[in-house]
Amino acid sequence: GAVVSQHPSRVICKSGTSVKIECRSLDFQATTMFWYRQFPKQSLMLMATSNEGSKATYEQGVEKDKFLINHASLTLSTLTVTSAHPEDSSFYICSASSAAGARLLHEQYFGPGTRLTVT
Amino acid sequence: ELKVEQNPLFLSMQEGKNYTIYCNYSTTSDRLYWYRQDPGKSLESLFVLLSNGAVKQEGRLMASLDTKARLSTLHITAAVHDLSATYFCAVDPDSWGKLQFGAGTQVVVTP
Repeated sequence: GAVVSQHPSRVICKSGTSVKIECRSLDFQATTMFWYRQFPKQSLMLMATSNEGSKATYEQGVEKDKFLINHASLTLSTLTVTSAHPEDSSFYICSASSAAGARLLHEQYFGPGTRLTVT
Repeated sequence: ELKVEQNPLFLSMQEGKNYTIYCNYSTTSDRLYWYRQDPGKSLESLFVLLSNGAVKQEGRLMASLDTKARLSTLHITAAVHDLSATYFCAVDPDSWGKLQFGAGTQVVVTP
């Protein structure tokens, strides 16, 4: 299967600072990338959908000014958590997929995740 | 609002026995996914089910989809310790990749 990487795998930052997480598709062109958040012992929640060259669309309840998403190329999307606070501590997972015509191909490939701890 | 319900949420399995995890969802969807997650890790894709009646098997795991009943099952045959993990189902109701996940089923297999 296709490979998606994330960097960094772990990050600890101080409250009030910003953190950037990168998601890369290594061997295919990802027209669409997704960002999920997972709190301990909980399920994954979709935060936003990122399409190359256009603005991300955010799920209800996700602050777009706090979670900045940029999808500048077909292989890279970034999530920046601005003015991070302890409640933003979570496991952030991206996934990537390609489109065929108007619909996404059925498979999306998940990155290994980034564990963010805000102190 | 789409709901994806898994049950049970926790399953203690004895090695060698068979078990089933259920995934119900509240809206039409022609795509259903099963994933495995080990502690501290990301998701591993197990099955992609794309049509009513789809059945897929890999090793001791078998997944099926009934789109009319809005139900998918993940059947585990002769459980072994290596299958201990959390299993998630997810639906993609509009086929745009926006997955809605169930709460997950934590599986612990003991001798």
